[in-house]
Amino acid sequence: AQRVTQPEKLLSVFKGAPVELKCNYSYSGSPELFWYVQYSRQRLQLLLRHISRESIKGFTADLNKGETSFHLKKPFAQEEDSAMYYCALSGSNYQLIWGAGTKLIIKP
Amino acid sequence: EAGVAQSPRYKIIEKRQSVAFWCNPISGHATLYWYQQILGQGPKLLIQFQNNGVVDDSQLPKDRFSAERLKGVDSTLKIQPAKLEDSAVYLCASSLGGSRNIQYFGAGTRLSVL
Repeated sequence: AQRVTQPEKLLSVFKGAPVELKCNYSYSGSPELFWYVQYSRQRLQLLLRHISRESIKGFTADLNKGETSFHLKKPFAQEEDSAMYYCALSGSNYQLIWGAGTKLIIKP
Repeated sequence: EAGVAQSPRYKIIEKRQSVAFWCNPISGHATLYWYQQILGQGPKLLIQFQNNGVVDDSQLPKDRFSAERLKGVDSTLKIQPAKLEDSAVYLCASSLGGSRNIQYFGAGTRLSVL
């Protein structure tokens, strides 16, 4: 079955500390993984996708096929990173299968 | 470019009433999605259109939900009659389609069924 699991509903870290938001997936083919972010009072938007292999707002994510993971990382958290983060997997028909999301709170 | 437009932003109705949501995707985007997002959960796909055809509506509760995209541009999602469990945010997203599958989202419609 195709599934995305984000084990943490809430993650709270201090400003300047490293951040890692976990995402594990289950998919039988070659996955395409995304991270979407929703800041307070804003719409859901793409943060990054694994095929781009780029860093956005200091965040990176590496696809680990052996561990079926796509964890989102940032070495030094900033207060403006506080948001809801969703991991998503592109399945058949290019549909997105979504995790439940992790709420990231950056404490000053 | 203009983003995905949705209306209304908020809607409060009583159970057994009907409600309709409207979405206008980004110009040129062939694929349009409707999602239901219940509090504390990720978005759940209800229906996917490619131009004016339905690609997947397997998770649409067809006894009460309907959606159309008659001219392959804007779309409406209707619930009739509404149930308490339909309280959620309804999101519309669009993409160019196929492998160009970055989805762009509207602001959503928050529905409360009392």
